[in-house]
This record gives sequence, C-alpha cells and structure tokens, in this order.
Amino acid sequence: EAGVAQSPRYKIIEKRQSVAFWCNPISGHATLYWYQQILGQGPKLLIQFQNNGVVDDSQLPKDRFSAERLKGVDSTLKIQPAKLEDSAVYLCASSLGTYGGEQYFGPGTRLTVT
Amino acid sequence: AQSVTQPDIHITVSEGASLELRCNYSYGATPYLFWYVQSPGQGLQLLLKYFSGDTLVQGIKGFEAEFKRSQSSFNLRKPSVHWSDAAEYFCAVGPNNDMRFGAGTRLTVKP
Repeated sequence: EAGVAQSPRYKIIEKRQSVAFWCNPISGHATLYWYQQILGQGPKLLIQFQNNGVVDDSQLPKDRFSAERLKGVDSTLKIQPAKLEDSAVYLCASSLGTYGGEQYFGPGTRLTVT
Repeated sequence: AQSVTQPDIHITVSEGASLELRCNYSYGATPYLFWYVQSPGQGLQLLLKYFSGDTLVQGIKGFEAEFKRSQSSFNLRKPSVHWSDAAEYFCAVGPNNDMRFGAGTRLTVKP
C-alpha cells in the first residue's frame, strides 16, 4: 500500500514570495490534514478536510494561507506572501475517519523562507 | 481546549537500558491518546494508541504505554532500548479533528 506522498521535499524562497505544496493521501482515505511543524515544536493542525469539504481551519492564517482539495483526493496548501516565520516543515496526513483512528503522515516539505 | 505536556526535551539512555518518556495531557472527556515517532527527515509513525479498554497498550517496536486517568498521564516505556530507537517522540491527544501534539522528546542512545 502506497503511503502519503508529498512534494516538493524541500523549498527555499524569499519572503513575500508565494509557494505551494502538494499532497496525495492514501487511497480511500476520506480525511486529509495539513500540519505545520516549526523546529523544536510538535506539529500544529492547520486544516482538516473530509472528502472535499473543510472540517476545521480555525488555526489556518487565512490572510496568507489557503488550501484546497477539489476532487476529494489530493490537496494543495499555498502560502502567499510568505513570511520568515513560515519556515517550518509542512506535514500532510490522512485517515479513514474524521474522529478516531490512525493518521498516516507523509515525509513533509521543509520550507525555508529567507 | 486539550493540551499535551512532555516534560523532558531531551533524554539520553544507554543501549540496552530501559526507557520511560513522560506525557501529561489535559482533556475534558475520555481522551484519545497517541505516541508517534519521528526519525530525521521523516514523517511521523504511530507507535501506539489508546481509545478505551485496557489501560496498558502494546505498540510496535516493543513499546508500551500506560494510561493513568488519575494522573492524566500516558507514559511510553520500552524495557531495552536499541540504537535504532534514537529519534523524536511525540505524544498527542485527540480526537482527530482536534489533535494536539506535545513539543516532543528527543531520544539519544549511547553505545
């Protein structure tokens, strides 16, 4: 069974530029999550999708971050414009259900904003 | 809102020694509790989880954890550590739609 795929693995941009990350979840997983993991901290949930609908985006900085999951499968997370404090690893995860059960994580995208 | 505290930022143990990583949580109802491991450059891998039932749960790679409601704790244990266990360990409290992670404990294993 293929795992959660993410690309790119690494990205370096200058502040005020835009960037997009892509995630393809495990086949059949209805729920998809985006997390931000700043160095030295645990992951913080940014947004959760159930199929192509948003379940929770309360911690997503909506002035600069956006995410979509148009066909209920893969997803993109965008930052525009980026700030220095956006430097982090962005993790995508998926699960069968919304409430309980295991989340499967991708390898992450390491973003450096200079 | 729920929260997780991992009091130890960094722990060093000798190979073959026992290990206990501490986790304290705050949650209003019966929590969903998880331990994840993250190796450098990798995503998180689930070691074990507790939803209900037996308070001692067994996980992969020889790890176990015990849920103690009275102490709001979910400590991770392993009787004999291997060099390959060196990684970052995260405790998390659910449910999935409001998952909160601790700051992590970095484990170093001495030969």
